[in-house]
Amino acid sequence: TQLLEQSPQFLSIQEGENLTVYCNSSSVFSSLQWYRQEPGEGPVLLVTVVTGGEVKKLKRLTFQFGDARKDSSLHITAAQPGDTGLYLCAGGGNNAGNMLTFGGGTRLMVKP
Amino acid sequence: DAGITQSPRHKVTETGTPVTLRCHQTENHRYMYWYRQDPGHGLRLIHYSYGVKDTDKGEVSDGYSVSRSKTEDFLLTLESATSSQTSVYFCATRTGGAYGYTFGSGTRLTVV
Repeated sequence: TQLLEQSPQFLSIQEGENLTVYCNSSSVFSSLQWYRQEPGEGPVLLVTVVTGGEVKKLKRLTFQFGDARKDSSLHITAAQPGDTGLYLCAGGGNNAGNMLTFGGGTRLMVKP
Repeated sequence: DAGITQSPRHKVTETGTPVTLRCHQTENHRYMYWYRQDPGHGLRLIHYSYGVKDTDKGEVSDGYSVSRSKTEDFLLTLESATSSQTSVYFCATRTGGAYGYTFGSGTRLTVV
């Protein structure tokens, strides 16, 4: 069974601060995705990384896939209240159902 | 126009009654999934489908059944609802490969 552990589970910061969320596993994934979920809604895909060492930037968000494709990080620069939400990482493997394995999530609150 | 529609959005039902949740997609995605999301447990896979009439169990399938008679519809049935099935249920679709999931907005089910 592939498992993904996210840390921290909760994070409360002030507007303008930087933060990093980690997603770790002992398993290798063929791809890694990050989602953000707001209350009352389903998760929304932010990014997909597929190559070990890959770095993608989405405005103030930087995503990195580990060289061994076992871990990933999400860094937010100058966080804003609009970044508040639940961040989920998900790993893709080789399985018949093309299923993703989800981490437990990091709940981020950015206070103005 | 939402690519995935879940119905109903909210439902309260009594213990022992059957309940069917519906997921409708206009994306023509091959893969469809039902997850439940509970505090402390994250997203857990109930059942999935990899084509019309092709379904399989996920990690928490006991007490649930599914059917997919058309590409666009994936139904989740609770045969005899129990209080432990009180949860938020999400449907997701995926086209395959390294692409991420597209989630519906969820159904909040309360079993009293």
